[in-house]
Amino acid sequence: GAVVSQHPSRVICKSGTSVKIECRSLDFQATTMFWYRQFPKQSLMLMATSNEGSKATYEQGVEKDKFLINHASLTLSTLTVTSAHPEDSSFYICSASKRAGDEQYFGPGTRLTVT
Amino acid sequence: RKEVEQDPGPFNVPEGATVAFNCTYSNSASQSFFWYRQDCRKEPKLLMSVYSSGNEDGRFTAQLNRASQYISLLIRDSKLSDSATYLCVVSGNKLVFGAGTILRVKS
Repeated sequence: GAVVSQHPSRVICKSGTSVKIECRSLDFQATTMFWYRQFPKQSLMLMATSNEGSKATYEQGVEKDKFLINHASLTLSTLTVTSAHPEDSSFYICSASKRAGDEQYFGPGTRLTVT
Repeated sequence: RKEVEQDPGPFNVPEGATVAFNCTYSNSASQSFFWYRQDCRKEPKLLMSVYSSGNEDGRFTAQLNRASQYISLLIRDSKLSDSATYLCVVSGNKLVFGAGTILRVKS
């Protein structure tokens, strides 16, 4: 149990376009979902925390108008990278937990390359 | 200063060796501590939680020293499949990841 999927697993897009990444909890309801970003040889950095039905809480330095997060149901959260630029190229990983403070289950990640 | 510091390695060890990783954290209010494992281009997977009393899971032993804000992971009888990046993770109101220590086990 506790499986989290992400789609797509890999995406290449042109600079200036927007990309949507989906994160789904497949066999449990996720009250809270998290979005992380990992640049090569660096640590995972939390971008934002989203609770179902409410606005996401963004970490310092993460632009909420650029990284749009929607957690519309207990099994789905989406991250939209708007007007992507090459510096947004990274590994984006979501995680989900059944309740706030519970163990986080990680998705397999989405590798975004902006050309 | 980073919130969680780890030696990036790589640690290159032969099969069967014992290897130890260390980690320090800066936030004394941190409440929970973990070791995760991350394979290349994959998501992190929870290896084990870390407690002050020390805990063991098979070949893996983790230890927490709150006074020194120091966490360790010991791997005995290393296997080729242990090759990965080991992430030290500290939690207060969110998970804070170290950049990881690379382990390469060679035959």
